[in-house]
Amino acid sequence: AQSVSQHNHHVILSEAASLELGCNYSYGGTVNLFWYVQYPGQHLQLLLKYFSGDPLVKGIKGFEAEFIKSKFSFNLRKPSVQWSDTAEYFCATNNAGNMLTFGGGTRLMVKP
Amino acid sequence: EAGVVQSPRYKIIEKKQPVAFWCNPISGHNTLYWYLQNLGQGPELLIRYENEEAVDDSQLPKDRFSAERLKGVDSTLKIQPAELGDSAVYLCASSLSMTDTQYFGPGTRLTVL
Repeated sequence: AQSVSQHNHHVILSEAASLELGCNYSYGGTVNLFWYVQYPGQHLQLLLKYFSGDPLVKGIKGFEAEFIKSKFSFNLRKPSVQWSDTAEYFCATNNAGNMLTFGGGTRLMVKP
Repeated sequence: EAGVVQSPRYKIIEKKQPVAFWCNPISGHNTLYWYLQNLGQGPELLIRYENEEAVDDSQLPKDRFSAERLKGVDSTLKIQPAELGDSAVYLCASSLSMTDTQYFGPGTRLTVL
């Protein structure tokens, strides 16, 4: 069975700091990878996704993620965070049936 | 375009009572999903529908949970009877097909007392 690990449960940064959130998955076959974000009081929204091709994926709001197959990783990055990036971030993977397996989430707090 | 709609947004019930959640997916989306999200955890899939057919319900606790999507559009998820451990957020998502991006609704936060 697939599993997704997000090692940082809580991250606190100051505005303009760089962000990297870790995500590792266990499935050894072909995977699709996603990052979802949940802003306070809002529903889950897709930030970016990787299906194939260029392992560096750019998403909305200046986020990007890099798929490193040898490390089973799909870390999320942003060079300069803003207060409005305060949210919970979920990494997920799916199988051929498009059933998403989510990690436990990382709560990011950006201090103004 | 309207997103995935869920109601109610919040529900508080006493244990052993029944409860039902409703979901209306994005128009034209054939695939519908119900997820359970416990506090501090990521969502976990309960059931997936392709039109009106439940194609994966292996994670649905069938002794107390049931779901239906009779006309292949909106769906209901029911718990009867509810237990304290059922307190969680119940999320509905939809996608055009089983290979497309899933879009999530705001969820129903259930509290069982």
